[in-house]
Amino acid sequence: GAVVSQHPSWVICKSGTSVKIECRSLDFQATTMFWYRQFPKQSLMLMATSNEGSKATYEQGVEKDKFLINHASLTLSTLTVTSAHPEDSSFYICSAWGYNYGYTFGSGTRLTVV
Amino acid sequence: ELKVEQNPLFLSMQEGKNYTIYCNYSTTSDRLYWYRQDPGKSLESLFVLLSNGAVKQEGRLMASLDTKARLSTLHITAAVHDLSATYFCAVDINSGYALNFGKGTSLLVTP
Repeated sequence: GAVVSQHPSWVICKSGTSVKIECRSLDFQATTMFWYRQFPKQSLMLMATSNEGSKATYEQGVEKDKFLINHASLTLSTLTVTSAHPEDSSFYICSAWGYNYGYTFGSGTRLTVV
Repeated sequence: ELKVEQNPLFLSMQEGKNYTIYCNYSTTSDRLYWYRQDPGKSLESLFVLLSNGAVKQEGRLMASLDTKARLSTLHITAAVHDLSATYFCAVDINSGYALNFGKGTSLLVTP
């Protein structure tokens, strides 16, 4: 089946630094990549949608200058959290969509900002 | 705006009992997805329902979709402890669009 590899699984960073999260579709072409964040005991909240080669579309309330998304190829998308602060601590999950594959979720990244 | 509502949000049930989780959504869609999430983990796909009247079963779980009523159910038969997890339903308005998730149902199966 379709696999999306998400790295790192967890990361601890100091306040003010940047963190990059990578999602790679291993055996299919991801036409669209979705990035979600999930706070404890809550549902998934869509942050942004990106299509290969295009600028990401951000949901209302999500700062595009803080959460930089790059979808440079059909198999790779990255989310960079810039100048991270403790309130950015969360579980980030990517989801790749491809024709004939539907939605495939990455394994998630636990970000802790100290 | 597409809204997806699940109920109940919390469910504690005894092993061996049956129960149903409901998922209502607010706009026309023929596609509904059920996921399981264990603590600290990402989502595991359970069922993909792609048409009115679709019914799928896997082990003790059975999902159905009524697009006219905009309702999906996830039925649990003879629950076992291993089913303890959070279950999410999700809907997309069109293939390739973002999934809209319900708030999730936290299920605890006790002896």
